[in-house]
Amino acid sequence: ETGVTQSPTHLIKTRGQQVTLRCSSQSGHNTVSWYQQALGQGPQFIFQYYREEENGRGNFPPRFSGLQFPNYSSELNVNALELDDSALYLCASPGDANTEAFFGQGTRLTVV
Amino acid sequence: AQSVTQLDSQVPVFEEAPVELRCNYSSSVSVYLFWYVQYPNQGLQLLLKYLSGSTLVKGINGFEAEFNKSQTSFHLRKPSVHISDTAEYFCAVSPWITGNQFYFGTGTSLTVIP
Repeated sequence: ETGVTQSPTHLIKTRGQQVTLRCSSQSGHNTVSWYQQALGQGPQFIFQYYREEENGRGNFPPRFSGLQFPNYSSELNVNALELDDSALYLCASPGDANTEAFFGQGTRLTVV
Repeated sequence: AQSVTQLDSQVPVFEEAPVELRCNYSSSVSVYLFWYVQYPNQGLQLLLKYLSGSTLVKGINGFEAEFNKSQTSFHLRKPSVHISDTAEYFCAVSPWITGNQFYFGTGTSLTVIP
């Protein structure tokens, strides 16, 4: 049990639609990161939020956006969905030492 | 920029045999090093981490890893594997300067054969 909860667990969307994925952490850390894990690949860093501001971004287009709320929950939004967006999306929150990260179970997004 | 290379995509090994999963990395900045495990349909679980100090680090479930700065490697080992070790293993780096941003390898699928 990592204390990081993601919803929903599975989601099917149509190409061109928009999707919102959610994450909450029991730790109360003011940092949250999102990752995309395509089938058979390692997770890729999408972006990180610190105190409700984006604090680092990987090689993802602007149609991937996020929000972090005062209660440290977070959302990942993806607009204009493409078939290649089909993946497991993981949310992560730092551990007490702020060096390691604890991951949620992920949201499996399928774009058809 | 950072990159992580896991040299073996699949490793089959018999139960109770030793195993080594190889990881090499490159980075223009100082990084922390990690191994995570992912069981089917689950998120990532931290196995162990190297921050500084002794180059041999021990983790959960009997795993250990050795940091080799000159070879920029961080290989994962276990002296005797169990069926329950069957999973996907990911090596990752996190730059000191950015804090809690991880860059992963493509993973090694470990299959333990009874």
